[in-house]
Amino acid sequence: QQQVKQSPQSLIVQKGGISIINCAYENTAFDYFPWYQQFPGKGPALLIAIRPDVSEKKEGRFTISFNKSAKQFSLHIMDSQPGDSATYFCAASNRASYGKLTFGQGTILTVHP
Amino acid sequence: DGGITQSPKYLFRKEGQNVTLSCEQNLNHDAMYWYRQDPGQGLRLIYYSQIVNDFQKGDIAEGYSVSREKKESFPLTVTSAQKNPTAFYLCATRDIYEQYFGPGTRLTVT
Repeated sequence: QQQVKQSPQSLIVQKGGISIINCAYENTAFDYFPWYQQFPGKGPALLIAIRPDVSEKKEGRFTISFNKSAKQFSLHIMDSQPGDSATYFCAASNRASYGKLTFGQGTILTVHP
Repeated sequence: DGGITQSPKYLFRKEGQNVTLSCEQNLNHDAMYWYRQDPGQGLRLIYYSQIVNDFQKGDIAEGYSVSREKKESFPLTVTSAQKNPTAFYLCATRDIYEQYFGPGTRLTVT
């Protein structure tokens, strides 16, 4: 029940295209859903996050879509750039559980020039 | 990375030796976490601490130990009891909801 399932494992997109990564969860107590971006050999960096009281959040080229009834959320990267090539992780947490994050398995995104 | 420092960046040890990984923060955050990352996998929680002098086991605490004597510091010891210690170790702090990660320490045990 604590799992977060992420897909796809890898994604190849042309420059200027839209990258879409999906996550699904089971635990309805989760109340915070962040996305992290990680470059090789670096720590993950918080990209964007959403709470379940909204269905969409946009920051620049990055958008989170959240479907509470389906227990799914997704990351959309518009106008994808080669510099976006990285591993992306979705995660979920429950504030009542001390903010412990449960991570998806990660998606390796490659954006071709 | 911000105000989270992990040292060293790379660490090599012989099997059977204990090793301590450093994590220091100047963000004034109460909560701190240790995660382990293996190739092709997500991050898994080892230990976490909400306040000084208190810490809790995460999902994979066996073979690890921590201390939290100061707000700024949360060192992780990888003991010889950890069966597969080679991994990328990440320290994080939390501010309300947001968790911020350090640059990580890559530990190789041979």
